[in-house]
Amino acid sequence: EVQLLESGGGLVQPGGSLRLSCVASGFTFSSYHMGWVRQAPGKGLEWVSGIYESVGSTFYADSVKGRFTISRDNSKNTVYLQMNSLRAEDTALYYCAKGWGDRWGQGTLVTVSS
Amino acid sequence: DIQMTQSPSSLSASVGDRVTITCRASQGIRNDLGWYQQRPGKTPKRLIYATSTLQSGVPSRFSGSGSGTEFTLTISSLQPEDFATYYCLQYNTDPWTFGQGTKVEIK
Repeated sequence: EVQLLESGGGLVQPGGSLRLSCVASGFTFSSYHMGWVRQAPGKGLEWVSGIYESVGSTFYADSVKGRFTISRDNSKNTVYLQMNSLRAEDTALYYCAKGWGDRWGQGTLVTVSS
Repeated sequence: DIQMTQSPSSLSASVGDRVTITCRASQGIRNDLGWYQQRPGKTPKRLIYATSTLQSGVPSRFSGSGSGTEFTLTISSLQPEDFATYYCLQYNTDPWTFGQGTKVEIK
């Protein structure tokens, strides 16, 4: 069974940093691209970042480019999202997604507030 | 970035109705489009990928069609569990982008 378990969310002040992790199981992690999708309270979905199977090939939404960095460790079946220079508008539930979103984690909540 | 425009943004329908949701891409995306359902308080669930391929376990009342820039999700006979918000996603060009969502409510 495919499982995606996110962690690392929490309350952070504007300008601060957080690192999200997503541990995957139940599939051959190294064979799939992975991504992070967020949903602000009461709003729609935004695909924040993705990383392809070949390490080093990544993409970002314009809203986070230059502030967020996605990475993966295939030996640990884990994908990360390093979030720097956080803003109030980054407040959201962050989901880890497999492939083109065929499986999702339960999400980890990030709140940016002073 | 490719903009995905969904219509309508919301609709009211009755059980048994046929429902159609449209997604328009700002440029051609071949057939690299998926549809997702999100029930209130729940994680999104993929219904369709590659425009028209039904995800395993998804009821056959859901179908997708289109190509290029115009895509459609159809629910042939709306069921009580289908009241939810639906999103399209293009994964043809980085960064991937969702439509703004269509909320399907009970009439």
